[in-house]
Amino acid sequence: DIQMTQSPSSVSASVGDRVTITCRASQGLGSWLAWYQQRPGKAPKLLIFAASSLQSGVPSRFSGSGSGTEFTLTISSLQPEDFATYYCQQANTFPYTFGQGTKLEIK
Amino acid sequence: EVQLVQSGAEVKKPGESLRISCKGSGFTFTSYWISWVRQMPGKGLEWMGRVDPSDSYTKYSPSFQGHVTISADKSTSTAYLQWSSLKASDTAMYYCARGRSSGYYYGMDVWGQGTTVTVSS
Repeated sequence: DIQMTQSPSSVSASVGDRVTITCRASQGLGSWLAWYQQRPGKAPKLLIFAASSLQSGVPSRFSGSGSGTEFTLTISSLQPEDFATYYCQQANTFPYTFGQGTKLEIK
Repeated sequence: EVQLVQSGAEVKKPGESLRISCKGSGFTFTSYWISWVRQMPGKGLEWMGRVDPSDSYTKYSPSFQGHVTISADKSTSTAYLQWSSLKASDTAMYYCARGRSSGYYYGMDVWGQGTTVTVSS
């Protein structure tokens, strides 16, 4: 299986801060990667697909970049509703796999 | 409205069987595959497998192969996840999600609300 490793596992930040989360894959993925946001008690929500494409309806402060084995999710200016857990997920090879998650907390 | 609506919470005993469902509406069900994702209490997301409703072709994660069965009925736009013999370790939230990939990966863009399964003697 392809292992997906996110860093950091948790991060504390303030409203207005810029935050970057990294996802590294144990094998090359091309651009077959997505990012999700999950708020407590809610289903995950797709933010970014194909590594860098913004899902319709997602605010433009979210952006994704990278290809191959290293990817990043950046939130340019944190808003209160952004405090949640974020997951990367690869779909290059079966079985699909998720990163372990990055919990974004209010400082 | 495009949505996936899952069946309600279940409480079962070890060894019992169970089937939970995920009904799609507002879109062409056979144009997307449906994945199932497990989330154990306080833990992360785990991809279990997926089904293509157009031909019922399935792919499983080795971690779940043999313990669950994923299926779909395109006539009712419903996907299913079933167990023949539940274990306490199956206690979790289960999500269905639709996805597609055509040249590149579009992600899983619509998710069900989740079904809580509790297995306890």
